[in-house]
Amino acid sequence: EVQLVESGGGLVQPGGSLRLSCAASGLTFSSYAMGWVRQAPGKGPEWVSSITGSGDTTYYADSVKGRFTISRDNSKSTLYLQMNSLRAEDTALYYCVKRMGRVFDIWGQGTKVTVSS
Amino acid sequence: QSALTQPASVSGSPGQSITISCTATGSDAGGFKYVSWYQQHPGKAPKLMIYDVSYRPSGVSNRFSGSKSGNTASLTISGLQAEDEADYYCSSYTTGSSNWVFGGGTKVTVL
Repeated sequence: EVQLVESGGGLVQPGGSLRLSCAASGLTFSSYAMGWVRQAPGKGPEWVSSITGSGDTTYYADSVKGRFTISRDNSKSTLYLQMNSLRAEDTALYYCVKRMGRVFDIWGQGTKVTVSS
Repeated sequence: QSALTQPASVSGSPGQSITISCTATGSDAGGFKYVSWYQQHPGKAPKLMIYDVSYRPSGVSNRFSGSKSGNTASLTISGLQAEDEADYYCSSYTTGSSNWVFGGGTKVTVL
């Protein structure tokens, strides 16, 4: 069974940084594109970023471009999201997702990020 | 970039069929080809129910079906059951920019 377990969320002040991690199991991690999707309280999901299986190509939503960096360590089956210059509007539950074609077929349970002074 | 509009809520009685719409507007609406649907129960992660407009992943009940006409996609739930009460989100993938957009969600209530 494929499992995605996120960690690294927490409370951070505006302008601060956080690094999220996602440990994957039950799959050949390097074979799959992965990504991050966030969901603010009471809102719909919002795609944040994606990365190819090899890690050589990355994609970002305009709302996070230049502030967030996605990366992966295939030897550790782990996905990362480095978040800098955080803003109040980045407050959300961040899900690690596995990409299947043009959709996300496996989701983790999420890690909560709160940006507040 | 496109935006996806869904009705805020839809309700039905057990055994009935309901349909949730998802309308694309904006510059990418013409490329509204890759539509998917997710179900989300309270406190849980979204679950993929339909992909590429009308395909069901393994394990998803055949009571769920998807279709599209022009810039409006639809999710139909037939034989409505209490367990179907959840939020449903449509999503669209844009090939050119390799990004995804989600709708605002529809709350399905089983009366």
